[in-house]
This record gives sequence, structure tokens and C-alpha cells, in this order.
Amino acid sequence: KAGVTQTPRYLIKTRGQQVTLSCSPISGHRSVSWYQQTPGQGLQFLFEYFSETQRNKGNFPGRFSGRQFSNSRSEMNVSTLELGDSALYLCASSQDRGSTGELFFGEGSRLTVL
Amino acid sequence: GESVGLHLPTLSVQEGDNSIINCAYSNSASDYFIWYKQESGKGPQFIIDIRSNMDKRQGQRVTVLLNKTVKHLSLQIAATQPGDSAVYFCAENVSSASKIIFGSGTRLSIRP
Repeated sequence: KAGVTQTPRYLIKTRGQQVTLSCSPISGHRSVSWYQQTPGQGLQFLFEYFSETQRNKGNFPGRFSGRQFSNSRSEMNVSTLELGDSALYLCASSQDRGSTGELFFGEGSRLTVL
Repeated sequence: GESVGLHLPTLSVQEGDNSIINCAYSNSASDYFIWYKQESGKGPQFIIDIRSNMDKRQGQRVTVLLNKTVKHLSLQIAATQPGDSAVYFCAENVSSASKIIFGSGTRLSIRP
């Protein structure tokens, strides 16, 4: 069974631009979560989707948004990029977030904002 | 706010010794506590979890201890090997809130 796939793996943007990151969960997994990881920091929760509905979101500004499609694939978008948005963005999937909490992570999309 | 913190940012252990990584949490409503391992260039990988009504759970070479009285979680790795070098995150699952909160991580390095 294929793992969680994130694209692109690396990208460079400039301030003010916007970016869209994609995540394909493990087949059969309906929950997708997004996290931001910056150097020296832990993983900051962005949002979680289940069956195309956002069930929860973290404390990030409205520039950060996401969505989930009927096939469980998810995208997140960051508009009006700032230097501080440079980070590794991780996507994780699970069958249902009401379970133990075992998440399966992708390898991330590393965003650099210049 | 909700937070999961770690006592030590780095831990250096002699190969073959046992490693103990500690974590404090603040949310009494968490249903599960989880440990993840993140190797360089990879996403975090699930190691072991423990339900909030348990105080100990063992896996292969790993043991997780939960002390709800002082809101403390620990991961013990037996006979630490070079392949255990990674950053370890504790996390708590508040299933009613549908989110998992991660700590800031502890880097484990192994001395030969």
C-alpha cells in the first residue's frame, strides 16, 4: 500500500506570492491533517479534514486555508506569503481521527520564502 | 492554551544504554498519548501510543509510561542503537477536538 504522497517536495517563492501544496493520503484513509514544522520547533497543527469537511483548525491566520476532495486528497494554500512561512509542511492521514491517533505522515513539502 | 512540552531539547546516550525521553502535557482531556520518531529528511513515524486509562505500555524495545497525576509521559528505549538517532516527539490526541498536539521534540544522539 502506497504511503502518503506530498507534492511538490521543494519549492521557492517570494514574499507576496501564494502557494498550493498537495497531499494524497493512504488509500482508504479519510482523515487528512496538515502541520507546519519550522527549524527548532515542533509540529504546529494547521487543520484537519474528514470527508471533505474541516473538523478543526489551529491558530494560524486566514492566509492559510485548505480543502479536501471526494477522493480524500487534500490541498492547502498559503496566500500573501511572508518570510516566516518558510517551513516544512507535513501532511498526515489516518482512517479516522476518533481512533488512537496514529498518523501516517508524508515526507513534507519544504517551502522557502525569499 | 494546550501544550505539550519536553524537558530536554537534546539527549546524548552511549550505544547500548537505555534512553529515557520525558514529556509534560497540559490537557487533561486527552484520550491517547503518542510518541513519534522523525529521522532527518523524513516525516514523523509512529512508535507507540498509550490510552489515557493506562499507565504503562510496552512495545519492541520501547516502553511508554504515563503519569496522569503529574501530567508526565516518558519513552524508554532499551539498548539504544545508532538507528535510534532521531528527533522524538510526544503528542496528545484530544479526539473530541479532532486534533493531535505535538511537543517541541527531543533530539537523541548516540555515542559509539
